[in-house]
Amino acid sequence: ELKVEQNPLFLSMQEGKNYTIYCNYSTTSDRLYWYRQDPGKSLESLFVLLSNGAVKQEGRLMASLDTKARLSTLHITAAVHDLSATYFCAVDIKRNFNKFYFGSGTKLNVKP
Amino acid sequence: NAGVTQTPKFQVLKTGQSMTLQCAQDMNHNSMYWYRQDPGMGLRLIYYSASEGTTDKGEVPNGYNVSRLNKREFSLRLESAAPSQTSVYFCASSVNRAKETQYFGPGTRLLVL
Repeated sequence: ELKVEQNPLFLSMQEGKNYTIYCNYSTTSDRLYWYRQDPGKSLESLFVLLSNGAVKQEGRLMASLDTKARLSTLHITAAVHDLSATYFCAVDIKRNFNKFYFGSGTKLNVKP
Repeated sequence: NAGVTQTPKFQVLKTGQSMTLQCAQDMNHNSMYWYRQDPGMGLRLIYYSASEGTTDKGEVPNGYNVSRLNKREFSLRLESAAPSQTSVYFCASSVNRAKETQYFGPGTRLLVL
């Protein structure tokens, strides 16, 4: 069974600080996806990482992928309150890219 | 361009009742998906349809049926609702090839009493 584990599950941080969310997965995959979900809302795609060593940045968020370690990170730089949300990572599997497996999510609260 | 739409937004059922959740997309996507999201958990795939006319089971298909009515529409049916099916249900769609992300609908909150 494929497992996708995120940590931490909850993160409370002050504005202006940096932090990293980790996503580990248990199967061979070279594709990893990050999503954001605001409370009571749907999921919004943030990043698609398609190969080992891929790095993508959007504003204060930067995501990277290490397929050999089966690890992706989502780094937050100088956090602001607007980044408060739940962040999910997901992987698909090589033999069936329609099957996405999601992590449990990291609930981020950025305090003013 | 509405993207992915779902109806209803909220529903309360009694145990044993049946209902159908509707999903439609206007992005000309080939693949469509149904997920459930339970508190403190990520999304779990119930069923998916890689293309019109095909459906396949995901991680948690028991208690559900699906119909891919046409390229735009993908419905999820609960034949005999159980309290364990209380959840938020999300429909999603994608182009249907590797490396493509999924686009999600707004969700349906279902409470089974």
